[in-house]
Amino acid sequence: GQQLNQSPQSMFIQEGEDVSMNCTSSSIFNTWLWYKQDPGEGPVLLIALYKAGELTSNGRLTAQFGITRKDSFLNISASIPSDVGIYFCAGRLTDSNYQLIWGAGTKLIIKP
Amino acid sequence: ETGVTQSPTHLIKTRGQQVTLRCSSQSGHNTVSWYQQALGQGPQFIFQYYREEENGRGNFPPRFSGLQFPNYSSELNVNALELDDSALYLCASSLGGRQETQYFGPGTRLLVL
Repeated sequence: GQQLNQSPQSMFIQEGEDVSMNCTSSSIFNTWLWYKQDPGEGPVLLIALYKAGELTSNGRLTAQFGITRKDSFLNISASIPSDVGIYFCAGRLTDSNYQLIWGAGTKLIIKP
Repeated sequence: ETGVTQSPTHLIKTRGQQVTLRCSSQSGHNTVSWYQQALGQGPQFIFQYYREEENGRGNFPPRFSGLQFPNYSSELNVNALELDDSALYLCASSLGGRQETQYFGPGTRLLVL
């Protein structure tokens, strides 16, 4: 089936550092979404992207829809302890009416 | 406004048994989607219900079935449980079928022994 390759799998960072993660696919997507999941909870939508090249911010978070439509990037600036969690990308294929394909997640851990 | 709730929170079953998981959608939402999330993986779409009808299905066998009720709450039923069915089962509700507008519940953790 379709797959999204999300990297890195996990990140250990210092508080205050910037964070970058990305998702790539061999297929073209028409929508990219970024979610965060905390322990014991369901994913929460952070940013939605709908056009190739689109750059969207949500506070300290910035995400981009890749020009090739096969990738997307999420950046977090000046990380804080509450940024800890698992970040997922999800995409909708151009020939899909609604179903999302999800990445395996990037686990963000802040070093004490 | 109440959020999405799921019950039970945890469940242990044995191989071959049947299980029913429940989801109450957020107030005003008419669409419920169900996902399976294995440990260390992203959610996998099982199916979606819109106004009591199945509105789409992922790559899951027929032993995964569902219902949506007039109040838009939903059930996920899994028959003939297999060990690989152990996972977190998430439901998400939305108004209409666009999944980017959906809100997730906290999930039901199912362990099959």
